[in-house]
Amino acid sequence: DTGVSQDPRHKITKRGQNVTFRCDPISEHNRLYWYRQTLGQGPEFLTYFQNEAQLEKSRLLSDRFSAERPKGSFSTLEIQRTEQGDSAMYLCASSLAQDRLRGYTFGSGTRLTVV
Amino acid sequence: AQSVTQLGSHVSVSEGALVLLRCNYSSSVPPYLFWYVQYPNQGLQLLLKYTTGATLVKGINGFEAEFKKSETSFHLTKPSAHMSDAAEYFCAVTNTGNQFYFGTGTSLTVIP
Repeated sequence: DTGVSQDPRHKITKRGQNVTFRCDPISEHNRLYWYRQTLGQGPEFLTYFQNEAQLEKSRLLSDRFSAERPKGSFSTLEIQRTEQGDSAMYLCASSLAQDRLRGYTFGSGTRLTVV
Repeated sequence: AQSVTQLGSHVSVSEGALVLLRCNYSSSVPPYLFWYVQYPNQGLQLLLKYTTGATLVKGINGFEAEFKKSETSFHLTKPSAHMSDAAEYFCAVTNTGNQFYFGTGTSLTVIP
């Protein structure tokens, strides 16, 4: 068990470009979550999947954001036409559905800087 | 609706002194409460959690927290601070486990 892996760790992009992040959860976990953390704030929920189904999305997830988990394993989060306000740490977490109230395992995050 | 308030965005303690980080929650249903720690440029690590049962919960690295329903609080304590405790601490609440609501965090500095 290598934990939750996120790639890349850091991404610098120009405003207006598209970016994609990847998350590999703990292999046996069927739940995968995305959170966003801006400087000086706590993580904010974006969306979560159970297997390949996206079950809930936050209003924070604008039309420019899309997340997928096509085979119920890894997930990608894409941001189109990035804006400076998208600069943040994007955190992925995973759990078993039946253990979700025991807390998640978080990855180390992808730090996005939009210049 | 659920939310968490962490009083004190920055706390400084001397090495060996008591650590007290405050968390108050708001929840219309019985809450599940958590404390996470975050070291620079890393993800969050679970310190401890309250689900049901005993209101005093013990976690990793000598931390503990007490759920007080009457005060809607879940404060984090450690009897003796260590230099390695310097980090950002987040309190979180959920009632379904589908979505966690985090506080804004408390940065702990340990003075040698």
